Order: sequence, then C-alpha cells, then structure tokens
Amino acid sequence: AQTIHQWPVAEIKAVGSPLSLGCTIKGKSSPNLYWYWQATGGTLQQLFYSITVGQVESVVQLNLSASRPKDDQFILSTEKLLLSHSGFYLCAWSLGINSDYTFGSGTRLLVI
Amino acid sequence: GDSVTQTEGPVTVSESESLIINCTYSATSIAYPNLFWYVRYPGEGLQLLLKVITAGQKGSSRGFEATYNKETTSFHLQKASVQESDSAVYYCALGPDSNNRIFFGDGTQLVVKP
Repeated sequence: AQTIHQWPVAEIKAVGSPLSLGCTIKGKSSPNLYWYWQATGGTLQQLFYSITVGQVESVVQLNLSASRPKDDQFILSTEKLLLSHSGFYLCAWSLGINSDYTFGSGTRLLVI
Repeated sequence: GDSVTQTEGPVTVSESESLIINCTYSATSIAYPNLFWYVRYPGEGLQLLLKVITAGQKGSSRGFEATYNKETTSFHLQKASVQESDSAVYYCALGPDSNNRIFFGDGTQLVVKP
C-alpha cells in the first residue's frame, strides 16, 4: 500500500506567484519527514526536515519555507516564486536515524 | 564536506551488455557511512535499489551489485546484462549524518537500447 502521497504531480507557475506543495504520510506514527529538491542538471539536496509536529529545520536557504501542521502532513511553500525554484521536489519519510527513507513520486515544478 | 560523485549521464548501452556506473564518496562528518543506490523509473519516485552498511561488503538487488570499498572510497554499480526495463536514473548516496540527512550524487541516466 502506498504510504506517501505528494501533490500536485506537476506545476507550471509564474515568477512571483505563490506555491504550495503537499505531502501526506499514511499509516506511520510520528515519522521523520524530509523535503528534497533537484534543479535540472543539479544535485538532489535536502531542504528541510522535521522530527515532530510543528518543528521544521531548514537545511538549505532557498527562499522557501516548510511546515508540519499535522503528524502526517508536510507542506512546502513560498509567497513568491523565483525562476531558480524550478526543479523536482521529493518528500520522504523515515522512522528515525539509520532507518531507510521512503520517497514520494515527486512534484515537477517549472517556473516561467 | 560529505559528498558523492558519480558517472555523468546519459549512459547508453545495448540490451544484454554489461554496465558500470561509477560512484566515489567523501564522508568527513560521518564516521561510518551507509552507502546506497537509489533508482527513479520514468514517472515514479525514488526507490531504494540496494544498501550496504559495512565496508568490504557487497549489496545486490535485481541483478545489480555494488561493493563498499573504503580504501578507494568507491561504491560502483554493476550489472552483467542489462534489460530495456533498467532504463532509469540511478543515484548513489551516503549517510546518514547526525540530522539523518542523506547526501546524493547528481544521478546518472541510463538508457538501454533494445
């Protein structure tokens, strides 16, 4: 059964417009949650991680923010998109240090 | 820092040929890194292909194998005979650090021709 769902699958957005990407985890209690991003031709890098509801740590500064309003939900957002935000966004969960990641199917974002 | 470098893609091979995708790593903040190969098939998310947690050990899955070589800091991915269904993007990775962060390479696109 699919444990992680990301939405939307793909987006085309204008520079300066807002963005909200979502990630929901099913059937796992208190998972660690992560946002990863890969620019076209770039490296897949971690943006944020969260160990518990309401707490999010930023790893890379990209004028993006993340929130965890519920135990099973992780949101990535910005009020003003930049061209450099284009790329592939992946959400993942794990059950703690040294446990394997499970990734979502990703969201492909094109900012024009 | 902690980083991974892998073969730049795309890599194109014919079906039934052998494959090697090179991966070397640098682990400065992680004393005993785990090494991973992830795969992303078209239209799908990232999946764990194989993982090795002990230096000197070999991991294998779906006909792919990789050996954790601490001396050469390498974790090359090999397959003796590829299939068209192996066409995907392959990522080498290491981790986790104290924040459970995994560090990925840039990915290598593999194209298998029929």
